[in-house]
Amino acid sequence: DTAVSQTPKYLVTQMGNDKSIKCEQNLGHDTMYWYKQDSKKFLKIMFSYNNKELIINETVPNRFSPKSPDKAHLNLHINSLELGDSAVYFCASSISPYEQFFGPGTRLTVL
Amino acid sequence: GENVEQHPSTLSVQEGDSAVIKCTYSDSASNYFPWYKQELGKRPQLIIDIRSNVGEKKDQRIAVTLNKTAKHFSLHITETQPEDSAVYFCAASILQGYSTLTFGKGTMLLVSP
Repeated sequence: DTAVSQTPKYLVTQMGNDKSIKCEQNLGHDTMYWYKQDSKKFLKIMFSYNNKELIINETVPNRFSPKSPDKAHLNLHINSLELGDSAVYFCASSISPYEQFFGPGTRLTVL
Repeated sequence: GENVEQHPSTLSVQEGDSAVIKCTYSDSASNYFPWYKQELGKRPQLIIDIRSNVGEKKDQRIAVTLNKTAKHFSLHITETQPEDSAVYFCAASILQGYSTLTFGKGTMLLVSP
């Protein structure tokens, strides 16, 4: 009965590869987000979706492409991975604009 | 857009002491100010929030104060315990539409027994 779940929890891959992270929420929220947390712990918003529609797209390389097949899912696909993409990626959901519930995070390591 | 500054970046206290973390925001339209706690290796979780129509809010050992004029808000933790050790993030947003949170850069609080 996890509220916001992400898979995988850890992802280790080589530079240049393509990878995806999946996120699901069972809270009935209408808005979902992707955040990147770098080694200095800074939480930076990447994308926000409301009812499957892209609302916010911060300055993120176009190698990052979110996809929301339905209100409960928001996946993140990353092409041509680079060393600088190594970080923890958090999915979150909310009934916008209130409290955001975060997933457990996916630690991405690019070698 | 909104900019949130948070200080200090690290804070070390002895168990039982009080801890104060301060944030300033730039957008006078912001009216919602949550605080998140992130323990090592865990997800951020909301611990307390305040709206701009309130100057102070308390929940047991934690309290948040807001000064709208100065665009300043603070987190106060009294009688700190080792389990309070974590990274604390302040954030600001507008309670309207699809506004998102703008986070401060975080404060690592270390409580020594």
